[in-house]
Amino acid sequence: GAVVSQHPSRVICKSGTSVKIECRSLDFQATTMFWYRQFPKQSLMLMATSNEGSKATYEQGVEKDKFLINHASLTLSTLTVTSAHPEDSSFYICSARVSSVTSQGEQFFGPGTRLTVL
Amino acid sequence: QKEVEQDPGPLSVPEGAIVSLNCTYSNSAFQYFMWYRQYSRKGPELLMYTYSSGNKEDGRFTAQVDKSSKYISLFIRDSQPSDSATYLCATTSFSGYALNFGKGTSLLVTP
Repeated sequence: GAVVSQHPSRVICKSGTSVKIECRSLDFQATTMFWYRQFPKQSLMLMATSNEGSKATYEQGVEKDKFLINHASLTLSTLTVTSAHPEDSSFYICSARVSSVTSQGEQFFGPGTRLTVL
Repeated sequence: QKEVEQDPGPLSVPEGAIVSLNCTYSNSAFQYFMWYRQYSRKGPELLMYTYSSGNKEDGRFTAQVDKSSKYISLFIRDSQPSDSATYLCATTSFSGYALNFGKGTSLLVTP
């Protein structure tokens, strides 16, 4: 159990285009999902917290108009990188928090999406 | 000062050795502590999840938390080449809140 998927796993796009990344909790409901980015040999940096049915909360320094987050259901959150530029190239990872009375709020991560902007 | 400090390594050990991985943190409000394993170009995999101080064992893995010294450890017994990965410690104040990660320690177990 507790499987999180991401799609696509890898995307290469031209500068100026928009890219949508999907994060799904496959076998549990997640009222909260988190989006991180990770640069090579660096740790995960939280970008935003996504709550089902409400606006995402962005970390300081993260442009909410550039990184659009939608959490329309208990199993799906999407991150859209708008007008992507080469500096947006990174490894984007989502995590989902288990929402149940028996859980301790563990977070499970997706496999990540590697974005390369040319 | 980062809230969670972790030596990035790399740490190289022979197969069968006991591995000790450590993190320190600065915020005394942190009370949930996790260890994740991350293989190259993959998402982190949850290994251990502990609340407050104490030990937790799962197979070859033991997680230890000492809140008085703000020190968390992960021990791996009988290490295997398949354990070669980056190990990330993470912590948070409240269950289910966003995690504060260490930089990760790169571990290499040689046959």
